[in-house]
Amino acid sequence: KLYAAGPGLVKPSGTLSLSCSVSEGSLIHNKWWTWVRQSPGKGLEWIGEIYYEGSANYNPSLKSRVTMSIDESKKQFFLNLMSVTSADTAVYYCTTKSGSYYNWFDIWGQGIQVTVAS
Amino acid sequence: DIQMTQSPSSLSASVGDRVTISCRPSQYVGKYLNWYQQKPGQAPRLLVLGSSTLQNGVPSRFSGSGSGTDFTLVITTLQVEDFATYYCQQSYRTPFTFGPGTKVDV
Repeated sequence: KLYAAGPGLVKPSGTLSLSCSVSEGSLIHNKWWTWVRQSPGKGLEWIGEIYYEGSANYNPSLKSRVTMSIDESKKQFFLNLMSVTSADTAVYYCTTKSGSYYNWFDIWGQGIQVTVAS
Repeated sequence: DIQMTQSPSSLSASVGDRVTISCRPSQYVGKYLNWYQQKPGQAPRLLVLGSSTLQNGVPSRFSGSGSGTDFTLVITTLQVEDFATYYCQQSYRTPFTFGPGTKVDV
């Protein structure tokens, strides 16, 4: 299982920082760890993914502001989104991408509501 | 980016009905197409992967089909617990993209 955590309120122009913990007994390696967000205006949006060894792919629409990282020893991965605006207000989900030929998102965290407001 | 369209955007149905939802990517995606179900306050749940393979534990009343740019999710006999919003998602190319959703309600 996955559990997302972080502040629910971020000030405009600030940095949104979230963590996702992978439950005990789960292996963190050989998987892509992913962030997806959902807002009323934009629906479900793939933010990006990070591999256990640190390689990452980001959505070009957010690439200039996003950084993902991973701590294999703590079984956690992280999302940093800089220079946030109200458009970044959304429910943020962490999820895993599985599959070696086809890919899919099969394990999801509970989601965390993040509001950007002063 | 590959744009995803779904139709209808919403539909009203009754228990026992057959429901069909369409998904059309703006570009060819082969069979790299997944379907998710989402209920209010919950994360999306994977139903179908690779266009037609049911995820473990998903009831057989759900089925997916299609390839290229034309996909369909069918619920053969709608149950109470199936009232939800359904999303398609392409995994053919990054950025992975989702459809806008189809809300199935009473």
